[in-house]
Amino acid sequence: GAVVSQHPSRVICKSGTSVKIECRSLDFQATTMFWYRQFPKQSLMLMATSNEGSKATYEQGVEKDKFLINHASLTLSTLTVTSAHPEDSSFYICSARLWADEQFFGPGTRLTVL
Amino acid sequence: AQSVTQPDIHITVSEGASLELRCNYSYGATPYLFWYVQSPGQGLQLLLKYFSGDTLVQGIKGFEAEFKRSQSSFNLRKPSVHWSDAAEYFCAVGGNTGKLIFGQGTTLQVKP
Repeated sequence: GAVVSQHPSRVICKSGTSVKIECRSLDFQATTMFWYRQFPKQSLMLMATSNEGSKATYEQGVEKDKFLINHASLTLSTLTVTSAHPEDSSFYICSARLWADEQFFGPGTRLTVL
Repeated sequence: AQSVTQPDIHITVSEGASLELRCNYSYGATPYLFWYVQSPGQGLQLLLKYFSGDTLVQGIKGFEAEFKRSQSSFNLRKPSVHWSDAAEYFCAVGGNTGKLIFGQGTTLQVKP
């Protein structure tokens, strides 16, 4: 089946630093990838839609200058959390769209900001 | 407003017993409906999906779900639960854009 990876799986950083999370579709090309955020014991919240070769589309309430998304190739999208603060600590999950009706999820990245 | 409600935050069933996880949705257009399972350290795995046609859909691992338009529901069922089914289950609704709205999730615990 289609596989999506994320790197790193876990990251701890100091407040004020930036963190980059990679999402890769390993065995297929994805023109569209999605970024979600999941708080403990809560649902996944869609943050943005990442389209290869164009600017990401952010959901209402998500700061685009805070969460920079780059989809430079058909197999890679990156999420950079800029000037991270403790409230940015969360579980970040990406997905890659293979067909119109199905997307595959990465294992997630646990971000802890001290 | 578009939303998904999973009324049961936590469910405990005995191994071998039947299971039903509830899901209700609110969506302005024809919904695409999904059930995913999330295990610790693993990504969300698709159990089944409904787009159109037969309202009873079969999925992997012996799961099935029934779409009931009149009730705006898409409940997940399994006739006999295995200990390995213990996980977090998410119902989601979306459209042809691929954007998904997830429910809060139901944690399934299986008693031996």
